[in-house]
Amino acid sequence: GQNIDQPTEMTATEGAIVQINCTYQTSGFNGLFWYQQHAGEAPTFLSYNVLDGLEEKGRFSSFLSRSKGYSYLLLKELQMKDSASSLCAVRDNAGNMLTFGGGTRLMVKP
Amino acid sequence: ETGVTQSPTHLIKTRGQQVTLRCSSQSGHNTVSWYQQALGQGPQFIFQYYREEENGRGNFPPRFSGLQFPNYSSELNVNALELDDSALYLCASSRTGDAGNTIYFGEGSWLTVV
Repeated sequence: GQNIDQPTEMTATEGAIVQINCTYQTSGFNGLFWYQQHAGEAPTFLSYNVLDGLEEKGRFSSFLSRSKGYSYLLLKELQMKDSASSLCAVRDNAGNMLTFGGGTRLMVKP
Repeated sequence: ETGVTQSPTHLIKTRGQQVTLRCSSQSGHNTVSWYQQALGQGPQFIFQYYREEENGRGNFPPRFSGLQFPNYSSELNVNALELDDSALYLCASSRTGDAGNTIYFGEGSWLTVV
């Protein structure tokens, strides 16, 4: 089966750093994606990890440990516009199917 | 801009009716996947189309069906609509065999069933 867990909600302060965790148990693994989704909009691509370690992309970084089935998304220098849902998704071996977690709703406060 | 376009953006249907949603994939992408996202949840995989054939299906009943055309665009059809079918329907475009991070979503079609 496929199981992806992430916290439902998090709150952080503008200018701070926040880490959003994701744990997964899937029958196959061919990469882990993080998407950001603002209310009423489609998911937009943030980051991708297929090998262990940290991928950095501007204010966003993502980490993967395949042996632990664990990833996190790190958002630095938080801005009000970062108030959105962060979605963790695992791609299966067979193709490009993504299994998503329920999303973490991040609220950034002034 | 992801280059993935969906239509219509919003629609309202009555229970029992049928609906067709459309998706044009990004240039160079040959695979289209459809997802259903209920309010407050993550997207759920419906099915994927590659080379005009269904190439994987999630836990959705047969009244959810699809097509892919030679130009790689795709349709999602839902028959006998139920109230629980109210959701955002997302199309994702990718290229089979590409191990990279090129999976992009369209803006989605909001379906309300009344």
